[in-house]
Amino acid sequence: SAVISQKPSRDICQRGTSLTIQCQVDSQVTMMFWYRQQPGQSLTLIATANQGSEATYESGFVIDKFPISRPNLTFSTLTVSNMSPEDSSIYLCSVADPEAFFGQGTRLTVV
Amino acid sequence: ILNVEQSPQSLHVQEGDSTNFTCSFPSSNFYALHWYRWETAKSPEALFVMTLNGDEKKKGRISATLNTKEGYSYLYIKGSQPEDSATYLCAYYPPAGTALIFGKGTTLSVSS
Repeated sequence: SAVISQKPSRDICQRGTSLTIQCQVDSQVTMMFWYRQQPGQSLTLIATANQGSEATYESGFVIDKFPISRPNLTFSTLTVSNMSPEDSSIYLCSVADPEAFFGQGTRLTVV
Repeated sequence: ILNVEQSPQSLHVQEGDSTNFTCSFPSSNFYALHWYRWETAKSPEALFVMTLNGDEKKKGRISATLNTKEGYSYLYIKGSQPEDSATYLCAYYPPAGTALIFGKGTTLSVSS
């Protein structure tokens, strides 16, 4: 099993600003996943973060809006850039081992 | 497009009631189905990983069944307790994929 520490747990941000979310895993993992859950919607995969290469983004998500860093096998960040109210969501990082383990989530409200 | 559907969207029961939820998923090229329990402000917690048609798994008062031929899974909670209040997510692991595809979840509220 993997233990993931995610922060911040929640934030309220002004539109037009950016927020960086961090996830630290207690073991080395090849792939980390970033998900978003908008109100009333499914947990939706944003991108897969691999160490040493660019993240792979799902349809509808772009690097300029959601830049991801993966400097080593235990850490990743997701930045939500130039935020608008539509970005208000819960953001989760995850690893698969093979069952999925998750961080505690970041509840973002954009005002 | 791979869709995972869950019903009902939300459910309110009294303490002691038994209840069940449904998850439907693509039945072709099935690989695995996961159930998670997600309480507010906590990490989603893995309940079951189901891979074989006809699988039935149990953890305390919670059990799940799997029908891969028709593409559905049921989650049952026997004698619901207030601490069972949470959102229950099912997630499908596509055979060629690396990340889970989630349903919207069923939010259960149990009142005492």
